[in-house]
This record gives sequence, structure tokens and C-alpha cells, in this order.
Amino acid sequence: DAGVTQSPTHLIKTRGQHVTLRCSPISGHKSVSWYQQVLGQGPQFIFQYYEKEERGRGNFPDRFSARQFPNYSSELNVNALLLGDSALYLCASRFASVPYNEQFFGPGTRLTVL
Amino acid sequence: KNEVEQSPQNLTAQEGEFITINCSYSVGISALHWLQQHPGGGIVSLFMLSSGKKKHGRLIATINIQEKHSSLHITASHPRDSAVYICALSGGGADGLTFGKGTHLIIQP
Repeated sequence: DAGVTQSPTHLIKTRGQHVTLRCSPISGHKSVSWYQQVLGQGPQFIFQYYEKEERGRGNFPDRFSARQFPNYSSELNVNALLLGDSALYLCASRFASVPYNEQFFGPGTRLTVL
Repeated sequence: KNEVEQSPQNLTAQEGEFITINCSYSVGISALHWLQQHPGGGIVSLFMLSSGKKKHGRLIATINIQEKHSSLHITASHPRDSAVYICALSGGGADGLTFGKGTHLIIQP
């Protein structure tokens, strides 16, 4: 069974542009969470989606948005990119939106904003 | 907001040594996760604990709910154990995991 997949693996953008990152969860998993990891820091929670609805949101500006599709894959969109958005973006999936479900992480998308 | 403190931040040891990484938190949790992150970014879940102790191979994780403290132990450490080990917390809501800053472990041959 394939694990969590993310695309693209690397991305370079310039300030002001927008970006779309994609995540496919493990088959059967209905919950997807997005995290931002700035170099040298632990990941920070951005969004959680379950059954196509937003279930949780971290302390990120409205430039960050996401959605989940009927097949439970998800997209993270970031508008008006800033230099500070340069980070590793991680997607994690789990079966349900409950705290005691183990989360499985994808390899991440490394975004560089110039 | 739950504060997560990991110690040490950096640890260099010789192959074969017994390794202990600590994690303390400030607010009650539903579960605590120990994660491993290698250079390049991929995160692997090692353990999820809500009480007691778990063992997998050379790795042991313990948690003391009353003291709000968890430890990750590595026995007979090996250079391939070199990685960043991260403690992360699940609260009761849908706000995702709260991560510590990680412990950068280097095992020298």
C-alpha cells in the first residue's frame, strides 16, 4: 500500500506569486492535516480536513487556504507569497479526526520563495 | 496553549551508548507522539502513547501523565539512529499536533 504522497517535491517561486501543493492520503484515511516547518524549527499546524470539511485551523493568515476532495486528497494554496513562506510543507493523514489516531506523514514539499 | 520542551537540543554519542531524550509539556493531552525526521525532511512515526510504556526493537518510550513527562530511549545506539527526534502532542480538539523543536542526535561510529 502506498504511503502519503505529496507533489511537487521541490518548488521555487518569487514573492507575490501563488502556489498549490498537493497531498494524497493513505488509502482509507479520511483526515488530512497540513504543517509548515521552517528550517531549524518544529512543524506548525496549518489546517486539518476531515470528510471534505475544515475541522481545525492554526495561526496562519488568510493567504493560506486548503480544500479536500471527494477522494480525500487535499490541496494547500498560498497566495501573495512572502520570503517567510519558504519552508517544508508536510501533509499527514489518519483514518479519522480523533487525537488518538496515529498520523502518517508524507515526504513534504520544499518551497523556496525568492 | 500547550508548551512542549525537549531536552537535550543536541546530543552526540558513541555507537553502542544508551540514549535518553526527554519531553515535558504543560497541559493535559490525549496522546503523545515520538517522531523521527531524517535530513531531507521525511517524518516517521515511532510511537504514540497515552499511558505507560511501549517498546519497538531498540526503542522504548515511556510517559508519566501525572508529571506531564515522556522519555524516548535508544539502546545499543547505531550511526543509522542519527536523526532529529521530535515529541508532538495531541490535544482534545482538531487543532493538529503541537510539536517540540526536536533533538538532533548524532551517533558516531
